Amino acid sequence: TQLLEQSPQFLSIQEGENLTVYCNSSSVFSSLQWYRQEPGEGPVLLVTVVTGGEVKKLKRLTFQFGDARKDSSLHITAAQPGDTGLYLCAGVGTSGSRLTFGEGTQLTVNP
Amino acid sequence: KAGVTQTPRYLIKTRGQQVTLSCSPISGHRSVSWYQQTPGQGLQFLFEYFSETQRNKGNFPGRFSGRQFSNSRSEMNVSTLELGDSALYLCASSATPSGNAETQYFGPGTRLLVL
Repeated sequence: TQLLEQSPQFLSIQEGENLTVYCNSSSVFSSLQWYRQEPGEGPVLLVTVVTGGEVKKLKRLTFQFGDARKDSSLHITAAQPGDTGLYLCAGVGTSGSRLTFGEGTQLTVNP
Repeated sequence: KAGVTQTPRYLIKTRGQQVTLSCSPISGHRSVSWYQQTPGQGLQFLFEYFSETQRNKGNFPGRFSGRQFSNSRSEMNVSTLELGDSALYLCASSATPSGNAETQYFGPGTRLLVL
């Protein structure tokens, strides 16, 4: 079973601060996805990274896939209250199996 | 396009009862995956159906079962409910099986409370 560990589990910061969320595994993934989930809703896909070392930017969010494709990070610059939510990483195994999710990082951005 | 819909949105049952949850995927999507989400365990994969066939199954007891119909709508059933089955049950649809890293679109979930 491929496991994904996210850290930190909880993060509470002030508006305008920067933050980084980490997603680590001992297994190699063919691709990794980041989702954001708000209360009462299902997760929404933010980005998919496929190539080792790949960096993708989505406005103030920067996603990086590790060179060995075992880890990923999500960096948010100048966080805003609207960024509040549960951030989940999910990996697709090299055998093309189903998605494996991390436990998530609950982010709260205070005004 | 309408999104993924799940019914009912909320459900209260008692131990020992059984429950059936429904998921209607996005039109044209043939893959439906089910997940259980709890605060302590995160999203746990239950099973995936593609073109009416179960393609993958997670590590859940046989009390959890599912099926997919010819119109791609899917149902999951939990028999002999236990307190620990209280969770948010999410379904996700995609055009092709999830292992292709295709975007999965999640429904809002069914919140099940077992008393």
